[in-house]
Amino acid sequence: RKEVEQDPGPFNVPEGATVAFNCTYSNSASQSFFWYRQDCRKEPKLLMSVYSSGNEDGRFTAQLNRASQYISLLIRDSKLSDSATYLCVVNPINSGNTPLVFGKGTRLSVIA
Amino acid sequence: NAGVTQTPKFQVLKTGQSMTLQCAQDMNHNSMYWYRQDPGMGLRLIYYSASEGTTDKGEVPNGYNVSRLNKREFSLRLESAAPSQTSVYFCAISFAYQETQYFGPGTRLLVL
Repeated sequence: RKEVEQDPGPFNVPEGATVAFNCTYSNSASQSFFWYRQDCRKEPKLLMSVYSSGNEDGRFTAQLNRASQYISLLIRDSKLSDSATYLCVVNPINSGNTPLVFGKGTRLSVIA
Repeated sequence: NAGVTQTPKFQVLKTGQSMTLQCAQDMNHNSMYWYRQDPGMGLRLIYYSASEGTTDKGEVPNGYNVSRLNKREFSLRLESAAPSQTSVYFCAISFAYQETQYFGPGTRLLVL
């Protein structure tokens, strides 16, 4: 099982829709989780951290399910500007010298 | 406050040529990283420096060398470029090892 797995998509959704992505991780000892956003031909940027209790930032909600070892990102009322690739990131803690493990990303395209 | 800067932005090399990619940060962070990103492969860690004075190999170090010149600067050197090193290179920083990372704008390298 890969350390971090994401559905590559693309997810094509209309403006105003709600869309959710999941990401699974293999190292049960992982302690920190993040979602990054990467626009085409740009650098990844931190979108939000994922806390055990879940967290919300405007239209974005991130949740962690430790029992099933996955994190999720929910985007409500999608905007055209949400079109990007969303990277799931995990801190493996005990996985040798790997600082953070990045998923390959899920591509979202919001259509007018 | 520029955050993380990378030079050059673009570079074309011929096979066998050498070059150094520069990364500098003004955020007083301790850890610095070099990644490459290729289509379908996601971000892959080349080398990292957990703190000033230390460097360690990441997932794909072959063909590269690094220097942590001081706390601010972390350079990546290609001694003899190969077409397989055509990629987008990102430098990233974090306050401490395994914490949230912040990325520079990237260097696009083409090796002919």
